[in-house]
Amino acid sequence: GENVEQHPSTLSVQEGDSAVIKCTYSDSASNYFPWYKQELGKRPQLIIDIRSNVGEKKDQRIAVTLNKTAKHFSLHITETQPEDSAVYFCAASIRDDKIIFGKGTRLHILP
Amino acid sequence: DAGVIQSPRHEVTEMGQEVTLRCKPISGHDYLFWYRQTMMRGLELLIYFNNNVPIDDSGMPEDRFSAKMPNASFSTLKIQPSEPRDSAVYFCASSFITYEQYFGPGTRLTVT
Repeated sequence: GENVEQHPSTLSVQEGDSAVIKCTYSDSASNYFPWYKQELGKRPQLIIDIRSNVGEKKDQRIAVTLNKTAKHFSLHITETQPEDSAVYFCAASIRDDKIIFGKGTRLHILP
Repeated sequence: DAGVIQSPRHEVTEMGQEVTLRCKPISGHDYLFWYRQTMMRGLELLIYFNNNVPIDDSGMPEDRFSAKMPNASFSTLKIQPSEPRDSAVYFCASSFITYEQYFGPGTRLTVT
């Protein structure tokens, strides 16, 4: 069945450095790829998304890239700050109204 | 807008008891999703509705789980009878036409 693989499961980066999280998807019909951030004990919150008609999207310190041919997409966080510490989930649409999530990446920003 | 509202926020119950979780989606949203989150299995979609009609319940683990959406502003997820392995955080999310789902604060369920 359809699935989304996410790597790494845990990532530690020094404050100020960049972090990259990668995901692959299996359904070639997927056309929507959101990223959610979940802080400890809180709800997942949509931070950025990309649709298949673009290859890159940026919003301040975060950016997403999409390679439809290879069926993978990535989240890039630059100039990381302590408040970036959280679990990040990628997701991909598998039909017009449904998305499936990756298993998450726990990001630690080291002082 | 108050966002997606869920109740209760925490529920502790004994094995065998019935549990009912409640969700109020964002006004005007036509999709409602129920998810379960555990460390082992991550974020799993249980069931979702479009315009109050269940579209896909393939994620519902077994017959002990049921969900209803009697109107556009209310949905319930019921577990009867509950078991310890049902312990998890249950999220409700809603969206309008597009895929942009907005999550509620979740209900942390503990079954002893």
